[in-house]
Amino acid sequence: DQQVKQNSPSLSVQEGRISILNCDYTNSMFDYFLWYKKYPAEGPTFLISISSIKDKNEDGRFTVFLNKSAKHLSLHIVPSQPGDSAVYFCAASGAGKLIFGQGTTLQVKP
Amino acid sequence: SQTIHQWPATLVQPVGSPLSLECTVEGTSNPNLYWYRQAAGRGLQLLFYSVGIGQISSEVPQNLSASRPQDRQFILSSKKLLLSDSGFYLCAWSTYTGANVLTFGAGSRLTVL
Repeated sequence: DQQVKQNSPSLSVQEGRISILNCDYTNSMFDYFLWYKKYPAEGPTFLISISSIKDKNEDGRFTVFLNKSAKHLSLHIVPSQPGDSAVYFCAASGAGKLIFGQGTTLQVKP
Repeated sequence: SQTIHQWPATLVQPVGSPLSLECTVEGTSNPNLYWYRQAAGRGLQLLFYSVGIGQISSEVPQNLSASRPQDRQFILSSKKLLLSDSGFYLCAWSTYTGANVLTFGAGSRLTVL
């Protein structure tokens, strides 16, 4: 039973355009949601988080939106840069654990 | 500042051999500690987590075990490796405040042949 799902394995966008990465979850008890970025053969690095009582959080080029009624969150990257090319994981926090989705590979083309 | 060390970085082991991956954290006390695995083409699967010395919670029944002999040391072990144990193993720590942001180590690549 996968509690956090990223249904798009990959996404390709042009440099300067918006990248939108999506994530769905099933458990209403999660209290925070996080996005991580991962390069090959490295550990994931934290990008941005959002509390379950918020619907938007912004940090520079990164914005996370949360739709609790739909149990859906998304990460917007504007403008996208070639250095953003990586695997992006969403994660849900609850009971001292982070549950991760399967990841979406983002490719930003110059 | 806090740092996390994980070793070895790369390991090639035969089926049936034992395993020991070690993780240590510096610059903090009483962290929550975690072991995750990323199998080829898959997401990050939580294997074990610990909220204190000797306290281990297992998330997935498997061929692996974990131990926390000291506050900032977390060890992942196996007595006999299987082919399916191959993957990228990640240790992480957090202070479990707010969003519970995990900080990950650089990872250990295990190939079982």
